[in-house]
Amino acid sequence: EAQVTQNPRYLITVTGKKLTVTCSQNMNHEYMSWYRQDPGLGLRQIYYSMNVEVTDKGDVPEGYKVSRKEKRNFPLILESPSPNQTSLYFCASSSLTGTLLSEQYFGPGTRLTVT
Amino acid sequence: EDKVVQSPLSLVVHEGDTVTLNCSYEVTNFRSLLWYKQEKKAPTFLFMLTSSGIEKKSGRLSSILDKKELFSILNITATQTGDSAVYLCAVERTSGSRLTFGEGTQLTVNP
Repeated sequence: EAQVTQNPRYLITVTGKKLTVTCSQNMNHEYMSWYRQDPGLGLRQIYYSMNVEVTDKGDVPEGYKVSRKEKRNFPLILESPSPNQTSLYFCASSSLTGTLLSEQYFGPGTRLTVT
Repeated sequence: EDKVVQSPLSLVVHEGDTVTLNCSYEVTNFRSLLWYKQEKKAPTFLFMLTSSGIEKKSGRLSSILDKKELFSILNITATQTGDSAVYLCAVERTSGSRLTFGEGTQLTVNP
């Protein structure tokens, strides 16, 4: 089954404790992206990747890191989480036609709470 | 600053009604506009629009883009309770395929 998986689905942590949210897709997609969703602000793009070893900032990259060492995986790293990073996080992937995105498949979401 | 604005923010209708959701944008280097449906989980893709005036249709849903006036509409005819969801509009830029989403329209369809 074609899917994007994220782990963990729920996480409660404390300020400053490094964490990683994993994202994996089995569709051989070139494009992967991380979003956060907050009430009243909609979905905002954090980082995206057009292919292995190619990553770029979205609209809200501060406080986050990503890496793309393999095509299927795109982990999101919070080196020193803060309460304002409490949010619902989505990973998504898409194939590219040239450089044009096609349908994006979203993972199930990770609800992160930083206390 | 790039901006995507959806209206209305929320809408309550009765089953069988027709609704029109709006998405306007101010984005440099526009490439495409995408519509998603989000129920109480991850967004699912509805349409991608790249050309003005060409309607995309899927069942009771349809969408069209106006690149001159910088907006798109999503129409849903004969609404059903299963159409209740948040509808998200996003714009892709040519500069590296960055996506900017609007805030979404919360649609509630009552029986």
